[in-house]
Amino acid sequence: LAKTTQPISMDSYEGQEVNITCSHNNIATNDYITWYQQFPSQGPRFIIQGYKTKVTNEVASLFIPADRKSSTLSLPRVSLSDTAVYYCLVGDRGGGFKTIFGAGTRLFVKA
Amino acid sequence: GAGVSQSPRYKVAKRGQDVALRCDPISGHVSLFWYQQALGQGPEFLTYFQNEAQLDKSGLPSDRFFAERPEGSVSTLKIQRTQQEDSAVYLCASSPREGGTEAFFGQGTRLTVV
Repeated sequence: LAKTTQPISMDSYEGQEVNITCSHNNIATNDYITWYQQFPSQGPRFIIQGYKTKVTNEVASLFIPADRKSSTLSLPRVSLSDTAVYYCLVGDRGGGFKTIFGAGTRLFVKA
Repeated sequence: GAGVSQSPRYKVAKRGQDVALRCDPISGHVSLFWYQQALGQGPEFLTYFQNEAQLDKSGLPSDRFFAERPEGSVSTLKIQRTQQEDSAVYLCASSPREGGTEAFFGQGTRLTVV
């Protein structure tokens, strides 16, 4: 499984756009990039998944450059409730069951 | 229910006691995962089931840990002779896909060994 590297923590203010970048230099051809969000005392929650270019849903956008060695999770107009830990994962969607979470990025949104 | 349900939410065990943690996945989900999460750390993989078959148990930290999913739905994680280092949150997740990098997590069971 490809190893990921992401910032340990980030601070932002309400209403700002937040971009969290994840490096995955050893990503394999069959690997997808998946992001999860985790609040205290809760299990992780799936946010978004992509393979290449750009994916957007009602919560976030995921930007993946052509070489796929990194990805950026974009959260538009964050609010206090977006304060959480964000995990970037890389794995084969069919066989990536040994999903490696890493330490994640702690996002703290301030008023 | 609509989501993954875990019970109990909290468990306090005396060192040396056996515990059993239950996971009710989303109905029909093929894949089921168990993770261990220490305070301030990301979840760490323990084991994976595809239906009733345990395809990967490489993350189980010792032979005191045992997981089963006999009918391909409910799963139980059992820890024998608990030790203080077993204190953690145990998370269960299920996915409709085989492998399933898009998984749905329960709220976890917080185990404290005293």
